[in-house]
Amino acid sequence: DGGITQSPKYLFRKEGQNVTLSCEQNLNHDAMYWYRQDPGQGLRLIYYSQIVNDFQKGDIAEGYSVSREKKESFPLTVTSAQKNPTAFYLCASSMKGADTQYFGPGTRLTVL
Amino acid sequence: GENVEQHPSTLSVQEGDSAVIKCTYSDSASNYFPWYKQELGKGPQLIIDIRSNVGEKKDQRIAVTLNKTAKHFSLHITETQPEDSAVYFCAASRGVRLTGGGNKLTFGTGTQLKVEL
Repeated sequence: DGGITQSPKYLFRKEGQNVTLSCEQNLNHDAMYWYRQDPGQGLRLIYYSQIVNDFQKGDIAEGYSVSREKKESFPLTVTSAQKNPTAFYLCASSMKGADTQYFGPGTRLTVL
Repeated sequence: GENVEQHPSTLSVQEGDSAVIKCTYSDSASNYFPWYKQELGKGPQLIIDIRSNVGEKKDQRIAVTLNKTAKHFSLHITETQPEDSAVYFCAASRGVRLTGGGNKLTFGTGTQLKVEL
């Protein structure tokens, strides 16, 4: 069963704590992306990675960090420096040289 | 950078009627325009996309039109059904070929479509 998995579906954290969101894909895609979605707004790009051990900042990278040690995995860490971390986080991936992005089911993070 | 505006924010139609959602973009170099459907609590699903070298694309009840001169594109859904009810997002990008790197999509703010029986 191929696809993109994100875990957990719901995540609760106390203010001031770092939290890491998981994103795994078995589609053999080279590029992976992290987006943030807030109510009434479109998706905004946080970070993206085209190949292993390389990644670039998106439009709203402040307060977030990523790593890309394996082709199939692209975890996102929401740090305590992110002022408004409560949101729906979506991971996506695409084939090398392709424009089409496929999304995972998302993780809803709530910071209390 | 790119800016994408989407209208309307909510749209209510009767089952069987057509629905049209419109988007405008600002970057004249954008050449890839996907449309996504998102159901409550789920990730977006690609439903159709179009590139700047074509003006229209159809897939069964769904069609997308693109006017490069005016920098706007539209999603048309015909014979709407209750299962079409969802939030629809448009997006635009320069595409991988132009940037030589990742495809940075800029999204509109979404349209909540409700198909009433």
